[in-house]
Amino acid sequence: QQQVKQSPQSLIVQKGGIPIINCAYENTAFDYFPWYQQFPGKGPALLIAIRPDVSEKKEGRFTISFNKSAKQFSLHIMDSQPGDSATYFCAASKHTGTASKLTFGTGTRLQVTL
Amino acid sequence: KAGVTQTPRYLIKTRGQQVTLSCSPISGHRSVSWYQQTPGQGLQFLFEYFSETQRNKGNFPGRFSGRQFSNSRSEMNVSTLELGDSALYLCASSPSPSSYNEQFFGPGTRLTVL
Repeated sequence: QQQVKQSPQSLIVQKGGIPIINCAYENTAFDYFPWYQQFPGKGPALLIAIRPDVSEKKEGRFTISFNKSAKQFSLHIMDSQPGDSATYFCAASKHTGTASKLTFGTGTRLQVTL
Repeated sequence: KAGVTQTPRYLIKTRGQQVTLSCSPISGHRSVSWYQQTPGQGLQFLFEYFSETQRNKGNFPGRFSGRQFSNSRSEMNVSTLELGDSALYLCASSPSPSSYNEQFFGPGTRLTVL
């Protein structure tokens, strides 16, 4: 059972464009939604994260939009650059205090062209 | 501060063999999680350890096991390897199991089963 659905699978945008990656979740107990960026040969690195008590969070050129009623969240990359070309994963987890487990989306391969 | 270290980085085994992978978390981090990454299934949670105790376990067969030592270093073992076990195995550390804590990923161990 895929608890976090991510789309699109791949995305090509021109430099300066605004790629948008979408995720939908099923488990309403999730309370933490991070986005990870992964370059070839590297492990995923946290980009930005949001909790469900806010609808939007910005960090630099990266913005998460969160819609709790629709159980959806998305990543927007403003003024995208070729260096942003990577695979992006959304994830979700629920806070238990004694254990943590990230459930990942299937990933979006982003290519930013000149 | 040094990041998460995983050894070895690459490993080639044959079916039926067993393998042990090692993970050294960031200094001061006491929670270690393991994930399997494959092109078909994406990133899937294997298990999490904190204070030498397994706190959470994913849906993997019993051939996959792990342990954590008193210095927080962790190992995972896969016995009776199958072709489908070929994957990138990622270790992530965080200060504690709270899901609000960022999980820092290592570069992974690329396991190939022939």
